[in-house]
Amino acid sequence: DTGVSQDPRHKITKRGQNVTFRCDPISEHNRLYWYRQTLGQGPEFLTYFQNEAQLEKSRLLSDRFSAERPKGSFSTLEIQRTEQGDSAMYLCASEGVSSYNEQFFGPGTRLTVL
Amino acid sequence: RKEVEQDPGPFNVPEGATVAFNCTYSNSASQSFFWYRQDCRKEPKLLMSVYSSGNEDGRFTAQLNRASQYISLLIRDSKLSDSATYLCVVGGVYGGATNKLIFGTGTLLAVQP
Repeated sequence: DTGVSQDPRHKITKRGQNVTFRCDPISEHNRLYWYRQTLGQGPEFLTYFQNEAQLEKSRLLSDRFSAERPKGSFSTLEIQRTEQGDSAMYLCASEGVSSYNEQFFGPGTRLTVL
Repeated sequence: RKEVEQDPGPFNVPEGATVAFNCTYSNSASQSFFWYRQDCRKEPKLLMSVYSSGNEDGRFTAQLNRASQYISLLIRDSKLSDSATYLCVVGGVYGGATNKLIFGTGTLLAVQP
């Protein structure tokens, strides 16, 4: 257990529905990342927060995706109007200032869009 | 060309064998290098960071060659429990705003009894 938690662990939804995932990083870590992983691929970067500021977003993050980290602690990732292509594992990673870029991953949320 | 390339495998080896994984990366400005291990349907877990001087942790040895943009992982005396996907990871670009990680597709290792 890395100390990073994600909720829910699994989500099945119908195409067109909105979904929201939550990530709680390691408490003293100020950096938080979201990644997406599809079968047979490595995780791909989606977005990055330093404290409450969202400092980078990947081109993979379409307008249907939004992420927040309102108080610099937990973060949420929302997908609006889900599509079958959104089916993937959504991973959150936590990094501390002195962690030498070592990121620790939560267990992920596995999304299936029917 | 992918930013991080590694042989997808699978590598099927008997218990006790030595196995080597190789990886190349395209961005010469990259600062940090790692090997992560991922079990089936689980999250990636940090196996080891990779330093220019090379580093060893028990049966695992990692090497970095910045000039060739090449990273390696050697596993000695492999165990059944080493069976997993090994992800080569590069992060932190000089002058970049983030330390986002770039992952290879992973190399699947299956250690046979």
